[in-house]
Amino acid sequence: DAGVIQSPRHEVTEMGQEVTLRCKPISGHDYLFWYRQTMMRGLELLIYFNNNVPIDDSGMPEDRFSAKMPNASFSTLKIQPSEPRDSAVYFCASSSRTFATNEKLFFGSGTQLSVL
Amino acid sequence: AQSVTQLGSHVSVSEGALVLLRCNYSSSVPPYLFWYVQYPNQGLQLLLKYTTGATLVKGINGFEAEFKKSETSFHLTKPSAHMSDAAEYFCAVSPPNDYKLSFGAGTTVTVRA
Repeated sequence: DAGVIQSPRHEVTEMGQEVTLRCKPISGHDYLFWYRQTMMRGLELLIYFNNNVPIDDSGMPEDRFSAKMPNASFSTLKIQPSEPRDSAVYFCASSSRTFATNEKLFFGSGTQLSVL
Repeated sequence: AQSVTQLGSHVSVSEGALVLLRCNYSSSVPPYLFWYVQYPNQGLQLLLKYTTGATLVKGINGFEAEFKKSETSFHLTKPSAHMSDAAEYFCAVSPPNDYKLSFGAGTTVTVRA
C-alpha cells in the first residue's frame, strides 16, 4: 500500500484565498484524522471521521475551517478565507477499527501551508 | 481529560550514548500511551505503544519505554544513540479504546559524532 497520501505537499497562498487540502487514506481504514502542527501549539487534532461520518470536530478552530469525507478514499480540509495564522503543517492520518487495541495511526507526509 | 508533558524541548547526545526522553501524562482513566518519531519533512511514525500488560514496552529501532503508574511517566530510552536517531519525538496519550490522541509538544534529538 502507498500509505496515506496528502496533496499538495506545499501550498503558498495569499490572505483571503480559499485553500483546499486533500487526503487519501490507506485502503480499508475506516478512521481518518486531520491534525495541525505549529511551533506554538504543537500537534492538534482538528477533526476525525469514522466510516466517512464526522465524529468529533471540536478541534476545528473556527467556521473558516471545514472538512468533508465524501467517500472512504478521499477527504478534504478547506479554509475559507485563509489567514496568516493558519500557516502550519496539516497532517492527515488513518487507522483501522482496531486502532485502540492492536493497530496504529498512519500519518501522511503533511501539507506545509503558508498564508502570506 | 488527558494531557502529556514532555520535559525538554531539545536533547543533544553523543553517538553511542544513552538516549532518555521524558514524558509525564495526566489521565482520569487508565491511559494508552504512545511514542511517535518524526523525521524531517515526513509524517509521524509509531515507535511503540503501551495499552495493557507488561509495563516495559519494546519498539522499533532499539527504543523502549516503561509505563510507571505511580510516577505517571512513560519515558523513552535507547541504550546507544545512532546518527539516524536525530529526529523529533512525540509522546501521546489516549483513553482506552478511544481514537483521540493528545500529543506532547515534542522533543528534538540531535546526535553528535
